[in-house]
Amino acid sequence: DARVTQTPRHKVTEMGQEVTMRCQPILGHNTVFWYRQTMMQGLELLAYFRNRAPLDDSGMPKDRFSAEMPDATLATLKIQPSEPRDSAVYFCASGLGWAGQETQYFGPGTRLLVL
Amino acid sequence: AQSVTQPDIHITVSEGASLELRCNYSYGATPYLFWYVQSPGQGLQLLLKYFSGDTLVQGIKGFEAEFKRSQSSFNLRKPSVHWSDAAEYFCAVALGSGTYKYIFGTGTRLKVLA
Repeated sequence: DARVTQTPRHKVTEMGQEVTMRCQPILGHNTVFWYRQTMMQGLELLAYFRNRAPLDDSGMPKDRFSAEMPDATLATLKIQPSEPRDSAVYFCASGLGWAGQETQYFGPGTRLLVL
Repeated sequence: AQSVTQPDIHITVSEGASLELRCNYSYGATPYLFWYVQSPGQGLQLLLKYFSGDTLVQGIKGFEAEFKRSQSSFNLRKPSVHWSDAAEYFCAVALGSGTYKYIFGTGTRLKVLA
C-alpha cells in the first residue's frame, strides 16, 4: 500500500531556528504539493512541483520559506528563520495525472510548533 | 474571485441517520470538484471526484455527491452514517483542466452519536 511519508511528524523549535520538513512522494507520482493547515486559514497551498520542477510557490513567504525537490523521491520545505506564526500542520501530497484532475495523496503531516 | 464555501462548520448526526454535507463554489466555468475526508491526526483522503458526465458520483465508504450546476453546489451524502465516519470533510475545487490551483473549503466536522 503506497503512501506519502513525512518526517518529522512533530517538531517543536524556538523562534529563529531553521526547520526542515521532508516528504517522500509515492513512487511514480509526478506532482508534489505542500500545504499548510491552520484553524484560522484552513488548508493553504504553499508550493507545487511537477516533474520536480517548481511551478508555483506564490503561497509561501519568500523571505523565509523555500521548497525543493533534489530528486524524485524527496521534497523538502525549509523555514529559516522560523516564527511563532509558522506554527501549523504542514502536509505534503503527491499526485499523478492531468493537472486539475489528479487525485492528491496526502501524507500524515508535520505538526510544527514555534515557541 | 473563486471560492469554496462549506456553510456548516459542525454537524452532529445519530448513527444510522442520513447525512448531507453542503458545498458551494464560485467559479465562472465548470470546475473539477472533490470531496476529501480527514480523520484526526491524519492527512486527507479522497472520497470522490467529479469532472464531467453523470452528475451523481459514487465514492468510497458509501458516499455519493451530486453536482448541480444551477445551484453551484456539490453536496456530499450518505444514506446511513457509521460511527467511523466521524471526521472532518473538505470540499475542493480545481480551477479547470491544466491547472494545479486547488481551493479547499474550510471543512465540516462531523460528529456521530451512538
